[in-house]
Formats: sequence, C-alpha cells, structure tokens
Amino acid sequence: NAGVMQNPRHLVRRRGQEARLRCSPMKGHSHVYWYRQLPEEGLKFMVYLQKENIIDESGMPKERFSAEFPKEGPSILRIQQVVRGDSAAYFCASSPGTRTVAFFGQGTRLTVV
Amino acid sequence: GQQVMQIPQYQHVQEGEDFTTYCNSSTTLSNIQWYKQRPGGHPVFLIQLVKSGEVKKQKRLTFQFGEAKKNSSLHITATQTTDVGTYFCAGVTSGTYKYIFGTGTRLKVLA
Repeated sequence: NAGVMQNPRHLVRRRGQEARLRCSPMKGHSHVYWYRQLPEEGLKFMVYLQKENIIDESGMPKERFSAEFPKEGPSILRIQQVVRGDSAAYFCASSPGTRTVAFFGQGTRLTVV
Repeated sequence: GQQVMQIPQYQHVQEGEDFTTYCNSSTTLSNIQWYKQRPGGHPVFLIQLVKSGEVKKQKRLTFQFGEAKKNSSLHITATQTTDVGTYFCAGVTSGTYKYIFGTGTRLKVLA
C-alpha cells in the first residue's frame, strides 16, 4: 500500500518559468491538501481539494498559483512565472475523509534561481 | 482567522531529560493531531485526539487534549537522540476541513 507520492522530489526553475508539482494520494483517499514550508518555518495551508472540486483555497496566493485534482490522475499544484520567493518545500497530504488523519508525502523542494 | 501557537519554539535538552511542548488554539477544535518532522524530512503522523480531556500514550510519549478543546500538549519522558526533530500540532475546527498547523517546537537532544 503505497503512501502519498509526490514528484518530483527536487525541482529547479529559473525565474519566470512554470513549476508543476504532482501528488498522488494514498489508495482510497479522495481528499488532498497542499502545504508550503519555508526553511526553518511551519507548514502553511494552501488549498484543500476533493476529486474535481476545490473546497478551500483560502491559503493560495491570488495570482500565479492554481491547483486541481482531476477525476483521473494526480493532484497538480501549478505555479506560473515563478519568483525567488516561491522557493520552498511543498507538501501534499491526503485523507480518506474530512477531519480524519492526513498522511503526508515526502514533499517537493522547489528552488527558483 | 484561526491561529495555533506552540511553545516553546526551540528546546535543547540533555539525553534522558523530559520534554514538553504546548499547543494553543484561538478557537475550539473538533480534533487535534500531532506530527513529527525530522530535519529534511516530511511530517509523520503521531496521534489524533478527539475527546475533551483525552490522554493517549505511545511508549515514552504522552499526548493530552484540554478540557475546552483549545489546547494540547505532548510530553516525552527520558528523551533519546532519536527524538530530535520538530513537533507540530494540527487542529481542525468545526465547520471547516483544513488542518491548521502550529508553529512547531524544534527539539534538540544532546548526548
């Protein structure tokens, strides 16, 4: 039973490029959360999705960031026109339902150069 | 908006000493979870507390949920070097579904 899978583990992008981060939830989990973690800091909620629906995106920057969780395939966090301040670890977590235990993937470390 | 604070931010202890981190929410929580993150790693689920006043134990770790369901604590007895990492609490409030993480307590254990 594979855990939450995130890829790539490390991603380097030049300023202005696009970054696509993928998250495959655990089998049977239909709820996905994305968090951002800056070095030496805590986890900041970005977005909560269920299959084909964005439930809560109150933590997402209004511009350049978008997320989706299609009926088939992984959840995608997309960052357009990346800037140096986007450099962070992005973690995805999945759960089978609301207010249940969320399991985290190993994260994608994004570096913008 | 909802805030979850943890204290202390950092704690250095000698191996064998006890350690406690406290988690305080500005709003009442429907449940609280604790995670451990090793340096360079990802958050790993430790436990979930749901009931008011609940106490759970895992070997040397004791977790408590306050009567008002606004605070929680994690206590480690006789720390070991393997306990090194950052401990986060994460709370969920009624009517919402997102886990709000505390600021974390970074534990260093000196051998």
